[in-house]
Amino acid sequence: AQSVTQLDSQVPVFEEAPVELRCNYSSSVSVYLFWYVQYPNQGLQLLLKYLSGSTLVKGINGFEAEFNKSQTSFHLRKPSVHISDTAEYFCAVSDTGQTGANNLFFGTGTRLTVIP
Amino acid sequence: KAGVTQTPRYLIKTRGQQVTLSCSPISGHRSVSWYQQTPGQGLQFLFEYFSETQRNKGNFPGRFSGRQFSNSRSEMNVSTLELGDSALYLCASSQTLYRDTGELFFGEGSRLTVL
Repeated sequence: AQSVTQLDSQVPVFEEAPVELRCNYSSSVSVYLFWYVQYPNQGLQLLLKYLSGSTLVKGINGFEAEFNKSQTSFHLRKPSVHISDTAEYFCAVSDTGQTGANNLFFGTGTRLTVIP
Repeated sequence: KAGVTQTPRYLIKTRGQQVTLSCSPISGHRSVSWYQQTPGQGLQFLFEYFSETQRNKGNFPGRFSGRQFSNSRSEMNVSTLELGDSALYLCASSQTLYRDTGELFFGEGSRLTVL
């Protein structure tokens, strides 16, 4: 079974500063990796995903993430944050099997607060 | 194109009652998944339906059940409610069962409070 660890429950950062949200996963099989964002009182929205190929993945709103297989990590980064990036961010993992068992396992989330 | 619609958005129940939540997926999507979101446990997978059949199930007691109709709309039911069932219940729809070809689109959730 897969599991996801987001070590930082809260990350405060000043506007226009860079940010990194950490995500580590454990799995004995190949995985797909995802980052989702949840704004207050809304559902989750996909930021980016890693399926295969290049380990650097670019997503929406200027975010990017790098898949590191040896460190089993998939950290999310943005070089310059904006007030509107304040939200909860979730890392998720899914196995790559084709047996129908493709449910996502989510981390507990990181609340990013951008300070003006 | 309309997004995933969940009803009701908010509801309050008392212990022992039952509740039914509804989810209308994006048009053309045949897969519907349900997740429970709580501050302590985060997001936990409940079950996934595809073409009216439950294809995958999370680790929840039998009080949690669901179904999917021929138009892909889905309902989940929780019987004999407990205080710990208070949560945001999120529904997500997808074109396929597979996460590489089927992105999950989430609704805004149904917030259940059990008193």
